[in-house]
Amino acid sequence: QQQVKQSPQSLIVQKGGISIINCAYENTAFDYFPWYQQFPGKGPALLIAIRPDVSEKKEGRFTISFNKSAKQFSLHIMDSQPGDSATYFCARARAGSYQLTFGKGTKLSVIP
Amino acid sequence: NAGVTQTPKFQVLKTGQSMTLQCAQDMNHEYMSWYRQDPGMGLRLIHYSVGAGITDQGEVPNGYNVSRSTTEDFPLRLLSAAPSQTSVYFCASSYGGNNDGYTFGSGTRLTVV
Repeated sequence: QQQVKQSPQSLIVQKGGISIINCAYENTAFDYFPWYQQFPGKGPALLIAIRPDVSEKKEGRFTISFNKSAKQFSLHIMDSQPGDSATYFCARARAGSYQLTFGKGTKLSVIP
Repeated sequence: NAGVTQTPKFQVLKTGQSMTLQCAQDMNHEYMSWYRQDPGMGLRLIHYSVGAGITDQGEVPNGYNVSRSTTEDFPLRLLSAAPSQTSVYFCASSYGGNNDGYTFGSGTRLTVV
């Protein structure tokens, strides 16, 4: 089973700082890379997604950067806020596939 | 608009018991999936369905059965519960598969003793 390797496992960032979460994948036959955000006691919710034909996608304070040659993609959270404290999952899927494979998650804590 | 509704929220089972985790969505989504979430393991796909009457296995299907008789409902059955099935179970649905992202339910926390 192809995996998505996510790092770090946990991350502590000061309020106003930049949070960076990285994911690496092994196979290039994927073309959908979403990020999900999960608060305690809740289900994951789609945050932002990217396809490998673009190198970057930005939505508000959240940016995905995609490096196809390195087989890596990253989530950047600018001006991190305590309300961003959650677990973040990267994932990948083939075009037209219904099977999302998730990374193991990163627990982000933003401290005041 | 309720989205994806899972019941029960919590359940304790004894080894060998069977039960059904319920999942219902009111968004007319064709695609539905079941995931389990374990500490440090992320979310792993158990079974999925691309429409009524069509189901398929995911990454960790052993010990679980599903059926999809209607678009709205996608129950997950544990045939003979084992302690290894202690987990948080999430149901998710999507209108257009991965293109539109999945909407997850709030989960069922299952403990098998």
